[in-house]
Amino acid sequence: GNSVTQMEGPVTLSEEAFLTINCTYTATGYPSLFWYVQYPGEGLQLLLKATKADDKGSNKGFEATYRKETTSFHLEKGSVQVSDSAVYFCALNGNTNAGKSTFGDGTTLTVKP
Amino acid sequence: GAVVSQHPSWVICKSGTSVKIECRSLDFQATTMFWYRQFPKQSLMLMATSNEGSKATYEQGVEKDKFLINHASLTLSTLTVTSAHPEDSSFYICSARDSTWEQYFGPGTRLTVT
Repeated sequence: GNSVTQMEGPVTLSEEAFLTINCTYTATGYPSLFWYVQYPGEGLQLLLKATKADDKGSNKGFEATYRKETTSFHLEKGSVQVSDSAVYFCALNGNTNAGKSTFGDGTTLTVKP
Repeated sequence: GAVVSQHPSWVICKSGTSVKIECRSLDFQATTMFWYRQFPKQSLMLMATSNEGSKATYEQGVEKDKFLINHASLTLSTLTVTSAHPEDSSFYICSARDSTWEQYFGPGTRLTVT
């Protein structure tokens, strides 16, 4: 079956530091890949997505590139802010199996001023 | 962008009572909605897939008689936790899928059973 493995957290960075959160996946076929962000006490918000190999998703300074050869979708940001503190989930949708999504365990990011 | 709402945002109920949570797609039609459960500091666990006009499909280990799902229209799905117990306390999140298969998540409902 499908699975997503995320870098374990928590991750603590100083403001303006470079962020990488690793994500690798296992899936059959050609899944779509997503990063979601969850702020305390809230639901999930789509951060970015990529639907095919070599696509780069980007939003709010975050980027991730769909790498089929390494089955990865690592999240990066060049300069984090305190407001980026949240839990980040990597997910895939196999576009089959009734469209169910598979989520990673989440990585908690804390950015200190 | 598409918006999904949940109501209530939080609820406290007594053990043995039932609680209904609503999930609405506000500006699009959703033939499919998903219900998730999230424990503190953990990932989302898919409970069931709700399809408009048909029975929900439950994931393995989820009691369908305890977690009743009704998807009566293209914009509304409800989750009823029947005879709630303290171990049912959790954060319940729904998502709705649009015609392009993109999922939009609701803000979640915090259930506390005392």
